[in-house]
Amino acid sequence: DAKTTQPPSMDCAEGRAANLPCNHSTISGNEYVYWYRQIHSQGPQYIIHGLKNNETNEMASLIITEDRKSSTLILPHATLRDTAVYYCIRPFSGGYNKLIFGAGTRLAVHP
Amino acid sequence: SAVISQKPSRDICQRGTSLTIQCQVDSQVTMMFWYRQQPGQSLTLIATANQGSEATYESGFVIDKFPISRPNLTFSTLTVSNMSPEDSSIYLCSVQTSATDTQYFGPGTRLTVL
Repeated sequence: DAKTTQPPSMDCAEGRAANLPCNHSTISGNEYVYWYRQIHSQGPQYIIHGLKNNETNEMASLIITEDRKSSTLILPHATLRDTAVYYCIRPFSGGYNKLIFGAGTRLAVHP
Repeated sequence: SAVISQKPSRDICQRGTSLTIQCQVDSQVTMMFWYRQQPGQSLTLIATANQGSEATYESGFVIDKFPISRPNLTFSTLTVSNMSPEDSSIYLCSVQTSATDTQYFGPGTRLTVL
């Protein structure tokens, strides 16, 4: 049980913002949301994580709704190299971040 | 973030043989994990490699098939035993520097079993 819901695929034009949604309606108050991406069968790459405040780093921004039931990963200026499968993950609690990967969203960035 | 390497990066093996995959980290880490990614599928956690004790396996994975060692805080091995074509997958290790830290992944080992 991945405990998150993502669209299976999305398209984005190069240079435009890519907004990837994730539903995590059963999240509890102390659970973080993590985002990873996997480019063509390489090891997953960590992008960003958040609890309840919006977060931004050099790769992306993470917008979490006030009720924490959903979030959106934003790639502000998508490039062809951002084509990947993006995973939204709620780690299981229990002493460490046990990651359960769902199917993710396959983002295709087009010229 | 930690720098993680895996050996071999890929291999082609015969059915019935075994392959040991190594995972090396450039710094001491608290947690090390092993994942499997079957063709066209997402990642599945195999086990947590515990330093100085037996690994903790997820449902559907057993020690006889996937023995794991973790002799210290920077190194772990996963063996895929008595391989069949169904074991053809990418095997990935991941690490966390502490129990609540971000998890980082190695580049993976692509295994093909003929």
